[in-house]
Amino acid sequence: QVHLQVSGPGLVKPSETLSLTCNVTGGSISSYYWSWIRQPPGRGLEWVGYVFFSGGTNYNPSLKRRVTIAVDKSKKYFSLKLTSVTAADTAMYYCARLQISGTNNWFDPWGQGTLVTVSS
Amino acid sequence: QSVLTQPPSASGTPGQRVTISCSGGNSNIGGNTVNWYQQLPGMAPKLLIYSNDQRPSGVPDRFSGSKSGTSASLAIRGLQSDDEADYHCAAWDDSLNGWVFGGGTKLTVL
Repeated sequence: QVHLQVSGPGLVKPSETLSLTCNVTGGSISSYYWSWIRQPPGRGLEWVGYVFFSGGTNYNPSLKRRVTIAVDKSKKYFSLKLTSVTAADTAMYYCARLQISGTNNWFDPWGQGTLVTVSS
Repeated sequence: QSVLTQPPSASGTPGQRVTISCSGGNSNIGGNTVNWYQQLPGMAPKLLIYSNDQRPSGVPDRFSGSKSGTSASLAIRGLQSDDEADYHCAAWDDSLNGWVFGGGTKLTVL
């Protein structure tokens, strides 16, 4: 079955760019939507955005100015870039596949997540 | 402040039935389906219920979901110690044009 693995730096300095990748194994990256979701320490989940395998995107309005999500079909991964980070961006970052069936949609499966801390 | 409202905590003893509520509005739960995710300690969330009341393969039938109007509920019967986890509800929001989550409910098995 599909397995997602997040990778990237665990520490980013304030005002710099957070960059993460999510490798997709055990299944096709085509014909699916792929998403990033984050969880600040001790808090609830927050949807960051998604990318369709063909490249179309949709972002959380609160992050839209700073977020870019892209997909590399040949290498079977998708990526997250978040610019001008502050301490408020410190969180566990998860990647997930977005399943769509008619008007219904859900995230499954999820990657294991990675903690990104913003600190100088 | 999460868009969907969940109680921060819930508890029960082994064998009991517990329910966790999730309250929203017309732009999210009222007009779209609800999903529930189980997050075991130190782990990534896992899909538990999708499309209001559907269980993925492998999820025991002790778990059930329901929706009425702008609220949804997750019920767990025959509570087990392994059920101790955080439970999150989620729905698409037509106003946000994106997904919204509840703040999560920490379930403790006494």
